[in-house]
Amino acid sequence: DGGITQSPKYLFRKEGQNVTLSCEQNLNHDAMYWYRQDPGQGLRLIYYSQIVNDFQKGDIAEGYSVSREKKESFPLTVTSAQKNPTAFYLCASSNYPGLGYEQYFGPGTRLTVT
Amino acid sequence: KNQVEQSPQSLIILEGKNCTLQCNYTVSPFSNLRWYKQDTGRGPVSLTIMTFSENTKSNGRYTATLDADTKQSSLHITASQLSDSASYICVVIPNYGGSQGNLIFGKGTKLSVKP
Repeated sequence: DGGITQSPKYLFRKEGQNVTLSCEQNLNHDAMYWYRQDPGQGLRLIYYSQIVNDFQKGDIAEGYSVSREKKESFPLTVTSAQKNPTAFYLCASSNYPGLGYEQYFGPGTRLTVT
Repeated sequence: KNQVEQSPQSLIILEGKNCTLQCNYTVSPFSNLRWYKQDTGRGPVSLTIMTFSENTKSNGRYTATLDADTKQSSLHITASQLSDSASYICVVIPNYGGSQGNLIFGKGTKLSVKP
């Protein structure tokens, strides 16, 4: 069953703790992306990676970090430096390096920080 | 500033009725425009993709139109079903001298289809 998986679906953390969101894809896509979605807002790009061991900041990278050690995996760490971490986080991938190509989204992780 | 505005913000219709969602954008030039459907608590799923030279694209009961002169797109849903209840997101991809830029997302229209 091909696609993008994100885990867990719901995540709860205390303020001041770092938390890592998982994103795995078996579509053999080169590029992967992380977006944040807030109520009433459009999706905003956090980080993207067009190739293994390389990644670029998106529009709202502050307080987040990523790694891309394997083609199929692109974990996102929400650090304690992120001022408003509570949000719905979406991972996506595309089969060609380039921000504009068709992106396929995972089911999302809803993070709540209290 | 590149922006994508969608209207209405929310819409309630009865099952079986048609509806049209609007998307106005200021992105220019652009590479392509997409409509996504996002069920509550799920990731967006692509419905249609149109390049700047296309006027219309259909996917079953979904038909997207594009007027590049007025920078407007619409998504028409025919014979709505309860499963059409979702948010519909318009996305525009800028064209920066031949290379594509970051996707620019609208805030979405939340559609509720009632029995």
